[in-house]
Amino acid sequence: GAVVSQHPSWVICKSGTSVKIECRSLDFQATTMFWYRQFPKQSLMLMATSNEGSKATYEQGVEKDKFLINHASLTLSTLTVTSAHPEDSSFYICSAMEGTGGYEQYFGPGTRLTVT
Amino acid sequence: DAKTTQPPSMDCAEGRAANLPCNHSTISGNEYVYWYRQIHSQGPQYIIHGLKNNETNEMASLIITEDRKSSTLILPHATLRDTAVYYCIVETSGSARQLTFGSGTQLTVLP
Repeated sequence: GAVVSQHPSWVICKSGTSVKIECRSLDFQATTMFWYRQFPKQSLMLMATSNEGSKATYEQGVEKDKFLINHASLTLSTLTVTSAHPEDSSFYICSAMEGTGGYEQYFGPGTRLTVT
Repeated sequence: DAKTTQPPSMDCAEGRAANLPCNHSTISGNEYVYWYRQIHSQGPQYIIHGLKNNETNEMASLIITEDRKSSTLILPHATLRDTAVYYCIVETSGSARQLTFGSGTQLTVLP
């Protein structure tokens, strides 16, 4: 089946620094990728929708200047958390949809971010 | 967008069928019902989806009522590895097909 990877799987950074998370579709082309955030004991919250070659669409309340999303190719999207603060500590998950119009979203394994 | 209602938790004995209900009384005619599950600290996993007819795959069966206001996900022979949070999602209208996750049902399979 379709596989989505994320790198790194976990990261610890200091407050004020920036962290980049990669999301790759390994065996299919993803015209659309989604980024979610999940706090402990809560459900996934959609942060933004990323389409290859265009600007991401952010959900209400998500700061686009803080969470920079780049979808430069059909197999790679990146999320950069800029000037991270402890409240940004969370589980970040990406998902991807095949460009052929399939119905399933394939999720990555997630990235655990801890900001100290 | 239609919302869903699921029980917060359920238990099931290993080897028995797990029946997870979902209410989506405001679903519109062109919206699909999707089921995903999330094992602790992992990304969600697609299980099954349907529009009107009942569906079955190697993982589960999906039973949708005739009025489409509710559905049931059936895991025919639950194993300990099926312990997870199960999300019933109605597909958001529009081209992006973004998914809105509710609180889901924590299924615990007991030995």
